[in-house]
Amino acid sequence: EMQVVESGGGLVQPGRSLRLACAASGFTFEDYAMHWVRQGSGKGLEWVSGISSNSGDIDYAAFVKGRFSISRDNAKNSLYLEMNNLGPDDTGVYYCTKVFSGSYFDAFHIWGQGTAVTVSS
Amino acid sequence: QSALTQPRSVSGSPGQSVTISCTGTSMDIGGYKFVSWYQQHPGKAPKLIIYDGTMRPSGVPDRFSGSKSGNTASLTISGLQADDEADYYCCSYAGGYIYVFGTGTEVTVL
Repeated sequence: EMQVVESGGGLVQPGRSLRLACAASGFTFEDYAMHWVRQGSGKGLEWVSGISSNSGDIDYAAFVKGRFSISRDNAKNSLYLEMNNLGPDDTGVYYCTKVFSGSYFDAFHIWGQGTAVTVSS
Repeated sequence: QSALTQPRSVSGSPGQSVTISCTGTSMDIGGYKFVSWYQQHPGKAPKLIIYDGTMRPSGVPDRFSGSKSGNTASLTISGLQADDEADYYCCSYAGGYIYVFGTGTEVTVL
């Protein structure tokens, strides 16, 4: 069974950093682009960042560009999101997603259960 | 990149059909085939129900169908069932390596 499991969320003060991780299993991780999507409490989904299978293509939503960094370790079947200079608007559930067929340009097929990030003093 | 525009809510009786619109621009929906739709029940992760505008992943009932015309994509749910009550989101590739989601639509089964 294809599965992704997020971890690393928690309570963090404004201006601080947090690193999220996503462990993948049940599929050949190195063949698939991966993305992070977030959802504020009671709010809609927001695409945050994506990375191609070989890390050659990476991009970020404007509201996190310069503060967040996505990376992956194909040997460890893991995806990461380094989040710096966090603000209250970054509060929400962060989902790791696997694309449908492999390409970066694809739908978000497999979703984790999400990891909650709360930015508050 | 602005969020795609969806109606806040739609409703229908069991057995009826409802259609959710998703309006963007020529820089996203109108420019690419990569439009997808997601169903999200309260407290749950989203579930992919339509990809590439019109395609259904294995296991998604054919009551769910997608279409696109110009800068607007649409999701139609036919034969509405109680379990279809959920939030629905569209998503489009928006050039570069950027994606954008819709504002979300709450579907209520009366």
